[in-house]
Amino acid sequence: NAGVMQNPRHLVRRRGQEARLRCSPMKGHSHVYWYRQLPEEGLKFMVYLQKENIIDESGMPKERFSAEFPKEGPSILRIQQVVRGDSAAYFCASSPGIGAGGIYEQFFGPGTRLTVL
Amino acid sequence: SQQGEEDPQALSIQEGENATMNCSYKTSINNLQWYRQNSGRGLVHLILIRSNEREKHSGRLRVTLDTSKKSSSLLITASRAADTASYFCATGANSKLTFGKGITLSVRP
Repeated sequence: NAGVMQNPRHLVRRRGQEARLRCSPMKGHSHVYWYRQLPEEGLKFMVYLQKENIIDESGMPKERFSAEFPKEGPSILRIQQVVRGDSAAYFCASSPGIGAGGIYEQFFGPGTRLTVL
Repeated sequence: SQQGEEDPQALSIQEGENATMNCSYKTSINNLQWYRQNSGRGLVHLILIRSNEREKHSGRLRVTLDTSKKSSSLLITASRAADTASYFCATGANSKLTFGKGITLSVRP
């Protein structure tokens, strides 16, 4: 059973370009979460999606960032007009659902390291 | 605001010793999880403890949770050089995890 897959693993963009990060959840998982990790920091929650629905986007910057999880295909985190401050590692996690008590463990992908020049 | 705060920020021990890492949090939770991250890699889930549990074991790992003090500890017994990594506690509520800044553990061979 393949784990959570993310691609690309490394992405370099110039200021003003668009970045598209992809995440394929584990087989059987219908819940996807995106987190951002700045250097020497912990992960910060960005958005939680189920198929075709955004459930919680309270951690997403209001502008330039968007996320989707279509019925078919991977989840996409899209950053438009990137700036240097967007340079970070972006991690995707998936879970099979929400268990008793409110949460299942989340399984993380290897991350996409975005560098904005 | 930061939910999970780990302590200490960095820990260096000799192989074979035990490593104890602490995490404090501020608001009510329904579970707390510990993760490991090797340098430049993704996170590996170690253990989940629910708010109605006080202690949990998994191999060389022992996690405790004290909801009255809003704190948790992760104990790694008989440490190995391969345990060298950053360790994060994460509190879970309403489906999202809130991470602390992590503890850097170095295990000297």
